[in-house]
Amino acid sequence: AQKITQTQPGMFVQEKEAVTLDCTYDTSDQSYGLFWYKQPSSGEMIFLIYQGSYDEQNATEGRYSLNFQKARKSANLVISASQLGDSAMYFCAMREGSLSVLRGSQGNLIFGKGTKLSVKP
Amino acid sequence: NAGVTQTPKFRVLKTGQSMTLLCAQDMNHEYMYWYRQDPGMGLRLIHYSVGEGTTAKGEVPDGYNVSRLKKQNFLLGLESAAPSQTSVYFCASSYPPFSIAGQSYNEQFFGPGTRLTVL
Repeated sequence: AQKITQTQPGMFVQEKEAVTLDCTYDTSDQSYGLFWYKQPSSGEMIFLIYQGSYDEQNATEGRYSLNFQKARKSANLVISASQLGDSAMYFCAMREGSLSVLRGSQGNLIFGKGTKLSVKP
Repeated sequence: NAGVTQTPKFRVLKTGQSMTLLCAQDMNHEYMYWYRQDPGMGLRLIHYSVGEGTTAKGEVPDGYNVSRLKKQNFLLGLESAAPSQTSVYFCASSYPPFSIAGQSYNEQFFGPGTRLTVL
């Protein structure tokens, strides 16, 4: 079963507007972490933001915020005031937590298929 | 600090040839990972290592072998390359993902990727 679902293959947003990229996840662990990475056309993976499953407040990093709704198992990325340089692929990823590590989990990131964001001038 | 580096950046192989991709990190990380990224897909785990001298299979290990003889290096080998192994390969490293006592996180740091084409 797919553990990370990103339902938007592609998104368009006007420059200076806000955009939300959707991510839902599936895990039976109580302890886990959710990550967003940006991959520009140059190919590198750039870490944007992290949300822990026990964190009560939504994570924020500059123009990035994570709308974490634990009961719905969603971790949407919100980019405010979009810039042309935000055009890229965005990946949501999950790392399962301490119980999984005890059971022998490798602690790797499980990625969604990504959303391609295009910012229009 | 160079972070995570990968060698080479690009490579073209013929079917049946062998090659080794080198990943090096200077952050003293215990965990290292090899992922592959195919068009329209996120990254998928090939092999990983939780410490020097240890390796284990990930989600898509067939056709690859790995070695971790030194803590800072993680090698990915293709013994007999196939066109299905055409992909972009990413190495990543991190501290152990979570403490047993509670929740913490340790970001995975990625290398710049290696674009491999198998003809």
